[in-house]
Amino acid sequence: DAKTTQPTSMDCAEGRAANLPCNHSTISGNEYVYWYRQIHSQGPQYIIHGLKNNETNEMASLIITEDRKSSTLILPHATLRDTAVYYCIVREQGGSEKLVFGKGTKLTVNP
Amino acid sequence: ETGVTQSPTHLIKTRGQQVTLRCSSQSGHNTVSWYQQALGQGPQFIFQYYREEENGRGNFPPRFSGLQFPNYSSELNVNALELDDSALYLCASSLRGQGYGYTFGSGTRLTVV
Repeated sequence: DAKTTQPTSMDCAEGRAANLPCNHSTISGNEYVYWYRQIHSQGPQYIIHGLKNNETNEMASLIITEDRKSSTLILPHATLRDTAVYYCIVREQGGSEKLVFGKGTKLTVNP
Repeated sequence: ETGVTQSPTHLIKTRGQQVTLRCSSQSGHNTVSWYQQALGQGPQFIFQYYREEENGRGNFPPRFSGLQFPNYSSELNVNALELDDSALYLCASSLRGQGYGYTFGSGTRLTVV
């Protein structure tokens, strides 16, 4: 079973920041938080991952709370092409390399 | 650098038949994983192959089997197809130990009638 809880759906206005929350209250010390997204009819796409520090790349920022029990994925300036299902996954680095997906959050970016 | 290629893109089979799905991994990747995604659900892990051997398996029956070849490409075989096997089958390649570098293909849409 997935170790994360995400809202089923969210809406965001084009050009605004999209903040996608994820709860992972049972995360263990050696587990990373990963974010993937899946645009309709495509395979999942890696976005970002982190352990305990905030991370930023060209796609998004990841904010992890100090107790690591929750995180937020931030798309700073959402576009229509960011409409997708976003999956938050916790995974042990170096252990089983499988990804356990939940149902994710369907983000709809509106014009 | 090529991505992950899956074939065919769509397939229709009859219940009881057998099917083989193919995956070419991304250049430089040595590990291949297969996932099944039913409509409206997240992908579910089937199994993973590394060094041509199964290296982890999800909750799928033995009629789901696979192969990995020396060039790291892979096949997923499903015997005795059931209606519930209708799904999107996704292949993902990675470099073992790298952690984040999963690259997914666009999948094969299998319909069992």
